[in-house]
Amino acid sequence: GENVEQHPSTLSVQEGDSAVIKCTYSDSASNYFPWYKQELGKGPQLIIDIRSNVGEKKDQRIAVTLNKTAKHFSLHITETQPEDSAVYFCAASGGWAAGNKLTFGGGTRVLVKP
Amino acid sequence: DGGITQSPKYLFRKEGQNVTLSCEQNLNHDAMYWYRQDPGQGLRLIYYSQIVNDFQKGDIAEGYSVSREKKESFPLTVTSAQKNPTAFYLCASSRPGTSGETQYFGPGTRLLVL
Repeated sequence: GENVEQHPSTLSVQEGDSAVIKCTYSDSASNYFPWYKQELGKGPQLIIDIRSNVGEKKDQRIAVTLNKTAKHFSLHITETQPEDSAVYFCAASGGWAAGNKLTFGGGTRVLVKP
Repeated sequence: DGGITQSPKYLFRKEGQNVTLSCEQNLNHDAMYWYRQDPGQGLRLIYYSQIVNDFQKGDIAEGYSVSREKKESFPLTVTSAQKNPTAFYLCASSRPGTSGETQYFGPGTRLLVL
């Protein structure tokens, strides 16, 4: 089955700096890669996603890049703010035909210091 | 308001007891999912259902059971066979599609063993 690894497990940045989180996946059939933000005691919220036919996607201060050949994808947060402090998860899916199941990375705890 | 609701927010289980976690959605989504999250870890798939009256085991189905009698509802029962049930349980739903489809998560239920 699919295996997703996520690094780093913790990330501390100064407010205004950039944060980068990297994930690798094992199943070349995976074609959908969402990123979720989870605040303490709450359910994950989708922040951005990318499909395999696209190499990069951007939404304001958040961007995701995908390298299908190398089987890795990354989340970039620019101009970080204290409210960006949370746990971030990457995930990979083989699509609807494979059950639309998500395999999650282990998470990155991001702390933005004011 | 459209969304996913989970109840209760906290649930306590005694030894040998079965407990049922509720998940309801009014998003008209066909697919629903149950994940387990242990402290400091990613989410792992327990069961999923892509259509009413059908469901499939995920990666950690042992000790759990589900039913999908209605499109809106996907209850999860944690049976006495699950020896380590303490965790945060998250329900999600998605619409059908040909590629990966976004999963939207509920607020979660925290299960504790007395």
